[in-house]
Amino acid sequence: GNSVTQMEGPVTLSEEAFLTINCTYTATGYPSLFWYVQYPGEGLQLLLKATKADDKGSNKGFEATYRKETTSFHLEKGSVQVSDSAVYFCALILLGSTDKLIFGTGTRLQVFP
Amino acid sequence: KAGVTQTPRYLIKTRGQQVTLSCSPISGHRSVSWYQQTPGQGLQFLFEYFSETQRNKGNFPGRFSGRQFSNSRSEMNVSTLELGDSALYLCASRKAPTGTGDTEAFFGQGTRLTVV
Repeated sequence: GNSVTQMEGPVTLSEEAFLTINCTYTATGYPSLFWYVQYPGEGLQLLLKATKADDKGSNKGFEATYRKETTSFHLEKGSVQVSDSAVYFCALILLGSTDKLIFGTGTRLQVFP
Repeated sequence: KAGVTQTPRYLIKTRGQQVTLSCSPISGHRSVSWYQQTPGQGLQFLFEYFSETQRNKGNFPGRFSGRQFSNSRSEMNVSTLELGDSALYLCASRKAPTGTGDTEAFFGQGTRLTVV
């Protein structure tokens, strides 16, 4: 079946540290990949996306590259801020007959000053 | 432009009751999907609608139902509420189904349902 696996959290970092959140996927077809972020008490916001192999999605200093050979879409940021503290979800969608997003379990990021 | 609007934001219901949640998509968006978020199960797909037709349904009991109106607004209904239905219910809207190549979904802030 189709699934997304994320690293367990919480990830605890000091401000200005480097961030990596691992995400791997299993898909029967050729998925589009996403990172969503959820701040406390809020819904999901799209952070970045990539629709084909070797695409790099980027936004607000975050980046992720679609790696078909390793079925991965790791999220990185060079220097995190306290305001980046949130839960991050990796997700995939298979274009075609359904709009269903398949999410990973989420990784909580806590950034301390 | 206005985002996805979900009402109400918070709801407390008693076991056995039923509840209706509402979602107004972004203006011009015609595709709506619903998700349930719980600490134990994470984010799970409930159903999706386009042009008033249900295109797909997740693995939830028949107590969960939904519909979409001609103005693209959507409602979901849960009957005979159970304690385990307590969750954050999220609605997402798209311009059109992803088969068109448009993959971006915009989420509302959700409705927090508590069943006591």
